[in-house]
Amino acid sequence: SAVISQKPSRDICQRGTSLTIQCQVDSQVTMMFWYRQQPGQSLTLIATANQGSEATYESGFVIDKFPISRPNLTFSTLTVSNMSPEDSSIYLCSVESLAYEQFFGPGTRLTVL
Amino acid sequence: AQSVTQLGSHVSVSEGALVLLRCNYSSSVPPYLFWYVQYPNQGLQLLLKYTSAATLVKGINGFEAEFKKSETSFHLTKPSAHMSDAAEYFCAVSDRRSGGFKTIFGAGTRLFVKA
Repeated sequence: SAVISQKPSRDICQRGTSLTIQCQVDSQVTMMFWYRQQPGQSLTLIATANQGSEATYESGFVIDKFPISRPNLTFSTLTVSNMSPEDSSIYLCSVESLAYEQFFGPGTRLTVL
Repeated sequence: AQSVTQLGSHVSVSEGALVLLRCNYSSSVPPYLFWYVQYPNQGLQLLLKYTSAATLVKGINGFEAEFKKSETSFHLTKPSAHMSDAAEYFCAVSDRRSGGFKTIFGAGTRLFVKA
């Protein structure tokens, strides 16, 4: 298993600003995943972050809006840029085990006013 | 492409009653299937998984699920509900066997447990 922490746990931001979310894993992993969970909704994959390469974004998500860094095998950041109220969501990072099960962080609850 | 359908966005049971949460999947190859639980204000936690071994899979907290290929189903059950089972449950399928790197999640079923 893996233990994942996220910072901040929640934030309230003004529209037009940016927020960077940090994700720390207690072991080295190849891939990290960033998800968005809008209120009352399921999880939508934003991007997959591999160490040493550009993140792979899912349809509907672009690097300019959600830049991702992956400087080493235990850490990643997701930035939500030029925020609008539609970006209000829970943002989750996760890692995948060798058995393809996912371990999730506790999430970052973002409210954009 | 893989997909997951959870029947019923809300399920309400009485404490001590059977819990049945339905999940149907679509996959062109034998799938990896998962059930996750999300308690309020927390991330998701794995309940159980199917990876082509036994078709009846036992998980944590007394939950189990049965893989039925003929019905393309992976329903989650628990014989006796407890108040602490109230949470959101997500069925998921991994596209690993078809060469992908994604896990696709269902829309979720919120379980309510009445005293």
